[in-house]
Amino acid sequence: DAGVTQSPTHLIKTRGQQVTLRCSPKSGHDTVSWYQQALGQGPQFIFQYYEEEERQRGNFPDRFSGHQFPNYSSELNVNALLLGDSALYLCASSFYPSGGNEQFFGPGTRLTVL
Amino acid sequence: GEDVEQSLFLSVREGDSSVINCTYTDSSSTYLYWYKQEPGAGLQLLTYIFSNMDMKQDQRLTVLLNKKDKHLSLRIADTQTGDSAIYFCAESPLNQAGTALIFGKGTTLSVSS
Repeated sequence: DAGVTQSPTHLIKTRGQQVTLRCSPKSGHDTVSWYQQALGQGPQFIFQYYEEEERQRGNFPDRFSGHQFPNYSSELNVNALLLGDSALYLCASSFYPSGGNEQFFGPGTRLTVL
Repeated sequence: GEDVEQSLFLSVREGDSSVINCTYTDSSSTYLYWYKQEPGAGLQLLTYIFSNMDMKQDQRLTVLLNKKDKHLSLRIADTQTGDSAIYFCAESPLNQAGTALIFGKGTTLSVSS
């Protein structure tokens, strides 16, 4: 049973560019959440998708957008990249409703903005 | 507001017990979690506890919850060098819309042989 997968593993972009990150959830999961983890910090919640809709959003600007597809996979898009967007982007999947809200994380995509 | 606080660093000797502490702020949180992150990797869910429980034990791991003080701890018995990692505490505040996790900054556990 494959766990949560993310692509690409690493990415280097320049300021002002746009980037798309991809996530495939664990088999049987229908909810995908995205988190940003800056160096030395804990993950920060960006948004969560369920039934192809954004159901909750953290404190991130509109430059961050997402999408969920009918097969439950998801994309995170970031426009007009800033140096401060450099971070590890983590995708987590879960099943809703789940008694424990157990979220399982992928290995992440390391984004470097130059 | 939502905030989770942890001490930043803990150093123990192999074979000793480790205790990692965490305080959280949202009394609506129904579940509290412990995740482990090894260098260059994603987060691994270690265990979680429901807010109406005081304690949960899972092999070498023991979670204690003091809901009155909003204090959570993770005890690792017989700590091994493979336990060296960053440990994150997280809460899941009650929210009609979704189930976001709020993380602390993490505690780096260093185990020496």
